Amino acid sequence: GENVEQHPSTLSVQEGDSAVIKCTYSDSASNYFPWYKQELGKGPQLIIDIRSNVGEKKDQRIAVTLNKTAKHFSLHITETQPEDSAVYFCAASPTGNQFYFGTGTSLTVIP
Amino acid sequence: EADIYQTPRYLVIGTGKKITLECSQTMGHDKMYWYQQDPGMELHLIHYSYGVNSTEKGDLSSESTVSRIRTEHFPLTLESARPSHTSQYLCASRREGVETQYFGPGTRLLVL
Repeated sequence: GENVEQHPSTLSVQEGDSAVIKCTYSDSASNYFPWYKQELGKGPQLIIDIRSNVGEKKDQRIAVTLNKTAKHFSLHITETQPEDSAVYFCAASPTGNQFYFGTGTSLTVIP
Repeated sequence: EADIYQTPRYLVIGTGKKITLECSQTMGHDKMYWYQQDPGMELHLIHYSYGVNSTEKGDLSSESTVSRIRTEHFPLTLESARPSHTSQYLCASRREGVETQYFGPGTRLLVL
């Protein structure tokens, strides 16, 4: 089955700086890559996703890049704010029915 | 805001008890999922359903069972709870043909 690795496990940045979280996947059949934000006491919430026919996608301060050849994708958050502090999960889906998650990155934005 | 609900939000129960974790969604989604998430860890799929009367086991072995009698309802049952079942359980749903999953707030289970 698919194996998703995520790094780093923890990340601290100063407010206003950028944060980058990286994930690699093993199954070349994976074609959908969502990113979720999970705040304390809540379920994960989709923040951005990318499909394998696209190399980059942006939504305001958030962007995701995908390198199919290298089988890795990254989340970029610019101009970080304290409310960006949360746990972020990447995921990959080879079938569209099952989703395989990374181990999560705890992001802390220091005011 | 996703219309997917889980009850109870928190549950402390003794070993050997039977428990049912409820999950309901009002979005008419065909596909529903149960994930287990230990603190600071990734989500592991334990059950999923393609629609009414469809249930499948996920990659993570689980002693729980699920049922899907109605589209909107996907309860998870543990016949005899054990301390090893202590975890957070997350329910999710999505529409057929759309990859986006919507998650409920989760149930934190503690088995003593």
